[in-house]
Amino acid sequence: AQKVTQAQTEISVVEKEDVTLDCVYETRDTTYYLFWYKQPPSGELVFLIRRNSFDEQNEISGRYSWNFQKSTSSFNFTITASQVVDSAVYFCALRSNQGGKLIFGQGTELSVKP
Amino acid sequence: GAVVSQHPSRVICKSGTSVKIECRSLDFQATTMFWYRQFPKKSLMLMATSNEGSKATYEQGVEKDKFLINHASLTLSTLTVTSAHPEDSSFYICSARDFLGDINYGYTFGSGTRLTVV
Repeated sequence: AQKVTQAQTEISVVEKEDVTLDCVYETRDTTYYLFWYKQPPSGELVFLIRRNSFDEQNEISGRYSWNFQKSTSSFNFTITASQVVDSAVYFCALRSNQGGKLIFGQGTELSVKP
Repeated sequence: GAVVSQHPSRVICKSGTSVKIECRSLDFQATTMFWYRQFPKKSLMLMATSNEGSKATYEQGVEKDKFLINHASLTLSTLTVTSAHPEDSSFYICSARDFLGDINYGYTFGSGTRLTVV
């Protein structure tokens, strides 16, 4: 079975704080892909990153960074120096090598207060 | 970049009527489209996968006679909620995938449709 778990339902931080959103996944596939999406209040899904299972290199993009640990089946997302505009629901998702459908985690609602 | 247009963005309908939601890929051919449903403060639940020219594959627990999906062309898929009831009120969002999966790593999402059944 494939599953994505985002244990943090809601996180509230004050602007300029760093915040890490956790994502743990389960899959029996040897090849798979992991994604992070941002969903602002307007509802659309904004693509943030994709990671292949065979590439464990961490990635940094501006204030965003991702830590992929295959040994613990985790793909955590860190926002450095958070801003109010970062307030949104963030989803971690898993795509198996078969079928192509995305399995989403429960989402973490991040609230950044000024 | 790739764009998926989803209409309408909001719709209110009376109980017992049917509502059609359209999802169009504007600048690429979507060989596969996915339809998701999202309840308030909940995750996106995959309802069905549709491939152009063939019947949709529904996830377990999704009533295919209630949620009719048509993917008649490479740029258009529609979801029709038939005989809508208040419990069908939700946020519906589509995702289009191009043949090679090269655009947005294979997934471009529509902006969603908020359905309210009264």
